[in-house]
Amino acid sequence: DTGVSQDPRHKITKRGQNVTFRCDPISEHNRLYWYRQTLGQGPEFLTYFQNEAQLEKSRLLSDRFSAERPKGSFSTLEIQRTEQGDSAMYLCASSPPLRGRDVDEQFFGPGTRLTVL
Amino acid sequence: KQEVTQIPAALSVPEGENLVLNCSFTDSAIYNLQWFRQDPGKGLTSLLLIQSSQREQTSGRLNASLDKSSGRSTLYIAASQPGDSATYLCAVISNTGKLIFGQGTTLQVKP
Repeated sequence: DTGVSQDPRHKITKRGQNVTFRCDPISEHNRLYWYRQTLGQGPEFLTYFQNEAQLEKSRLLSDRFSAERPKGSFSTLEIQRTEQGDSAMYLCASSPPLRGRDVDEQFFGPGTRLTVL
Repeated sequence: KQEVTQIPAALSVPEGENLVLNCSFTDSAIYNLQWFRQDPGKGLTSLLLIQSSQREQTSGRLNASLDKSSGRSTLYIAASQPGDSATYLCAVISNTGKLIFGQGTTLQVKP
C-alpha cells in the first residue's frame, strides 16, 4: 500500500490521559500536514512539516499538543491531559517535493478518530 | 484571514438529477483550489484540483469551475447516482500549502 497511513484508526480515552497518534506519509513525500475535524465541520489546519522542520503551527495547537517528525519520515501527534473538546477526527496528509511547475496536491490518510470520555 | 463557505450545507436529490455545489472564499489570492469527497467516518478523497491559472477541471461526471475574481468555485455533478452520496468539501490552498476548508455539503442521492 503506497497511501498515507495512520495509527490507530480509533482511540477512546478518559479525560486527563495522554494520547499519541502516528502518521506514515507516502514514501518520499517531504511535506506533512496535520488537520483536525469535528463533527459536521470541515478539517482545520493544525501544523505543517517540511522534512523534519515544523514550519507552521495553528493557534488551535495549544500547549497540550505537540507534533514531531524526527527523521523527516513518519510523524507523531501527542495530546497531553486530554479534554472532552479534543474529541475529533485527526487527519494527516502528505505532499511530494515541488519541482518546477508541479501541482501542489495533498494526499490524506484515513484519520484517527479520538473520543475523550 | 481566508474564510471558505459552502452552500448548501445539505442537499437531497433524486437519482439522475444534475446538481451544483457552491463554494466561496474571501481572499482571491489563492494558490489552488481542491474539491474532496468524504464518506462517513472516512478520510478525504481528492476529486479535482484547479490551479489558480485555470478556470475549470473535469473528471468523468464531475466538473469544477473557478472564478478567482469573484471568489467562487462550483462543483457540477452530472446524472447523480446513489453512490455519489457523501460530504463534499472545498478547500483553498495557501502559498504555504496548507488547506483551508469549507464546512462541506452533505449530499444524498435517493434511488
